[in-house]
Amino acid sequence: DAKTTQPPSMDCAEGRAANLPCNHSTISGNEYVYWYRQIHSQGPQYIIHGLKNNETNEMASLIITEDRKSSTLILPHATLRDTAVYYCIVRPGGFKTIFGAGTRLFVKA
Amino acid sequence: GAVVSQHPSRVICKSGTSVKIECRSLDFQATTMFWYRQFPKQSLMLMATSNEGSKATYEQGVEKDKFLINHASLTLSTLTVTSAHPEDSSFYICSASGTGQETQYFGPGTRLLVL
Repeated sequence: DAKTTQPPSMDCAEGRAANLPCNHSTISGNEYVYWYRQIHSQGPQYIIHGLKNNETNEMASLIITEDRKSSTLILPHATLRDTAVYYCIVRPGGFKTIFGAGTRLFVKA
Repeated sequence: GAVVSQHPSRVICKSGTSVKIECRSLDFQATTMFWYRQFPKQSLMLMATSNEGSKATYEQGVEKDKFLINHASLTLSTLTVTSAHPEDSSFYICSASGTGQETQYFGPGTRLLVL
């Protein structure tokens, strides 16, 4: 799996957009960018994934740079319930998921 | 999204006993299931990958005779921690993916405490 680099922690004000960056400069052509989050004492929750196009769903948007070497997960209106550890993972589809340290997002009232 | 369940959600056992944890895919056929372990304040660590009907593939450093994995059907995988010791106390999480699925879906986790 390609290595990813994420900031260890970030703060965000409630109601504002949370923009979580991820660097994956060694990504291969067949590797997707996946985002999961883990709320305390729960299993990871799938958020979104993409190959090269930007993606949006009911939870978030994923912006992937044209060279695919970095991406940003956007939570458009963060709430207190979005406080969690966010993991950016790069891997081919169907392969095992290896977790890094992730970004601990604190959403503050 | 697809739903994965685990049972039990938490278990306490005595040292030396064996504990079985079940992982079920509720609305899809899971051709591949994965087992993870997570210690406090750490990230998830992959233990093993299992494909339905075949032997599990264990990650380096994971004892296959201690952590028995069975994936006998397309909706059920089990992890048995044999002769559990206090250092096996951890949060065990499974995930599953189906044929052609790009995404893995995770269960809610099982918290094991060995006294």
